[in-house]
Amino acid sequence: DAGVTQSPTHLIKTRGQQVTLRCSPKSGHDTVSWYQQALGQGPQFIFQYYEEEERQRGNFPDRFSGHQFPNYSSELNVNALWLGDSALYLCASSLLSYGGMEYNEQFFGPGTRLTVL
Amino acid sequence: DQQVKQNSPSLSVQEGRISILNCDYTNSMFDYFLWYKKYPAEGPTFLISISSIKDKNEDGRFTVFLNKSAKHLSLHIVPSQPGDSAVYFCAASANTPLVFGKGTRLSVIA
Repeated sequence: DAGVTQSPTHLIKTRGQQVTLRCSPKSGHDTVSWYQQALGQGPQFIFQYYEEEERQRGNFPDRFSGHQFPNYSSELNVNALWLGDSALYLCASSLLSYGGMEYNEQFFGPGTRLTVL
Repeated sequence: DQQVKQNSPSLSVQEGRISILNCDYTNSMFDYFLWYKKYPAEGPTFLISISSIKDKNEDGRFTVFLNKSAKHLSLHIVPSQPGDSAVYFCAASANTPLVFGKGTRLSVIA
C-alpha cells in the first residue's frame, strides 16, 4: 500500500516565477492538506481540500492556491514566488473527520524542497 | 503568536535512559494533541496522541502525559534507543487543522 507521494522532490525557481507541486494521497484517503515548513520551524497549515473544494485555509496569501482532482490527488500552486517561499512543502492525507472526539490521523508525504533564488 | 511551544530546540540522552520532550500550549480550546517524529528527507510520522479527556496515553516505549491545568504535555521515551534520534513535533487541534510546535531535536547517544 503506497503511502503519500509528492513530486518533485526538489525544485529551484527564481523570484517572480510560478510553481506547481503535486501530491497523491494514501490509498483510501479523501482529504489532502498542505503545509509549509520553513527552516527551523514546524509545519504551518496552508489549506485543506475535500471533494475538490477548499475546506479550510490558513494564514497564507492568495498567491497560494490549490486544486483537488476526482482521484483525490492534489496540486499546490504558488504564484509570484519570492525568497520567503523557500521551504519544505508537505502534503498530508486523511479521512475527513465528522466531528466528535475522534480525530483522523494525518499521513505525511516526504515533502518537496522548494528553493527560490 | 505561537499557540504551541517547544522551548527546547535540542536534547541529548544516553541510550537506555529516559527521554522527556516537553510542549506547552496557549489555546484552551485544543482538545487533541499529537506527537510526530521526523527523520531527515522524510515527512513527519505519527507517533502517539492523546485526547483532552485523558491525562495519559501509553504505547510501548512511548507515553504522553497531559496536564490541562498547566496547558502542558510531555512525551516520555523509555528506554531511549539510537533509532529514536529525530526531530519531534508536538501538534494540537481543536477540530481544526493541526498547529505544530517548532520541534525538538533528540539525539540518543550510544
